[in-house]
Amino acid sequence: AAGVIQSPRHLIKEKRETATLKCYPIPRHDTVYWYQQGPGQDPQFLISFYEKMQSDKGSIPDRFSAQQFSDYHSELNMSSLELGDSALYFCAAGGGSSTDTQYFGPGTRLTVL
Amino acid sequence: RKEVEQDPGPFNVPEGATVAFNCTYSNSASQSFFWYRQDCRKEPKLLMSVYSSGNEDGRFTAQLNRASQYISLLIRDSKLSDSATYLCVVTLYGGSQGNLIFGKGTKLSVKP
Repeated sequence: AAGVIQSPRHLIKEKRETATLKCYPIPRHDTVYWYQQGPGQDPQFLISFYEKMQSDKGSIPDRFSAQQFSDYHSELNMSSLELGDSALYFCAAGGGSSTDTQYFGPGTRLTVL
Repeated sequence: RKEVEQDPGPFNVPEGATVAFNCTYSNSASQSFFWYRQDCRKEPKLLMSVYSSGNEDGRFTAQLNRASQYISLLIRDSKLSDSATYLCVVTLYGGSQGNLIFGKGTKLSVKP
């Protein structure tokens, strides 16, 4: 079965640069969640979208923004990158025919130098 | 205080052992409960949902006690492939709705 796709899988940026992470959810799963997992930490919820509208907001810095497009893919835009932004960023898809599961993508590993 | 607290771990057990993980959550309004498994540098994957009546999936048994706000996972006959970090997860909404709130995870290492 098709899974959540994230790109790029790895990204290296310098401090103060910008980055854009992309997420392509499972077809017919209309809710997208973004999570950040720092080294040795548990995933922390950043933001979510349902039917292209922001549905909830977690610990997302003001330097970050996100949106969901008409084809349901989502992008997380990160500006003025800091060393502490180095983490795994996961996208998860939910709201499909099974109401009991969020499916995670393989993640984007962002390294800020 | 974290919303979801787990055993600190790590758990190092021999193959064939039975191991139990515990988890408590602080928000009594929590609606859905899960155990996820995460391998090193990989995405979390759903292991099983947890229901008040308790549920079993092969060697894995999960229990939920809403009154005590306590969740458990029992793994019987441990396999080498069970080595991973086990994440206790709750949501404030039913099913896949609403963001997941993770515990810090408990690392399990199964040795030959």
